[in-house]
Amino acid sequence: NAGVTQTPKFQVLKTGQSMTLQCAQDMNHEYMSWYRQDPGMGLRLIHYSVGAGITDQGEVPNGYNVSRSTTEDFPLRLLSAAPSQTSVYFCASSRSPGRNNSPLHFGNGTRLTVT
Amino acid sequence: SQELEQSPQSLIVQEGKNLTINCTSSKTLYGLYWYKQKYGEGLIFLMMLQKGGEEKSHEKITAKLDEKKQQSSLHITASQPSHAGIYLCGAASNAGGTSYGKLTFGQGTILTVHP
Repeated sequence: NAGVTQTPKFQVLKTGQSMTLQCAQDMNHEYMSWYRQDPGMGLRLIHYSVGAGITDQGEVPNGYNVSRSTTEDFPLRLLSAAPSQTSVYFCASSRSPGRNNSPLHFGNGTRLTVT
Repeated sequence: SQELEQSPQSLIVQEGKNLTINCTSSKTLYGLYWYKQKYGEGLIFLMMLQKGGEEKSHEKITAKLDEKKQQSSLHITASQPSHAGIYLCGAASNAGGTSYGKLTFGQGTILTVHP
């Protein structure tokens, strides 16, 4: 029962560096999304995807790119890291509508520090 | 956009005490999800409420959605140290209450339970 797997768990970057946060789910969920969690602000949606090949922006998309080439994977790319991107990042997935409940299933997060 | 306000922001209780966490929305709540988060881990789905007046329970945790569907409460009876963590409410933005992979979250309530 892997569920949603995020790697790495921790990462330190210098300003201007780029990197990719990995997210994979093995539940055949159509919907996947990325959130960032900052103290006192809850979770804010960065990007989301309703299926392979389809992505859209969330509330705070600037500085991030995503792609969805397969149902299982939804990587998040930081193009040029800034200290404001220091945060905990969560990937989530959920099944398609038409069911009674479609809660989000979350990974354990990636703690990113940008110096 | 929908905004969710949680209260209190933090709560410290003695083991065995009852407690309530509130989640208030600026708009009608079509689908309200409660999650629990332990430090360093992802979010665990607790319950989802959809209908006005709906109430659900799991072990010692009860969640309610008011008749007007603008406020939800999470009540823990006879709290235990295992209940400690961050509780977050999340709302779907569509009338069907389905997450479609994206929810708007409150800022979270930090619960500490002293043995």
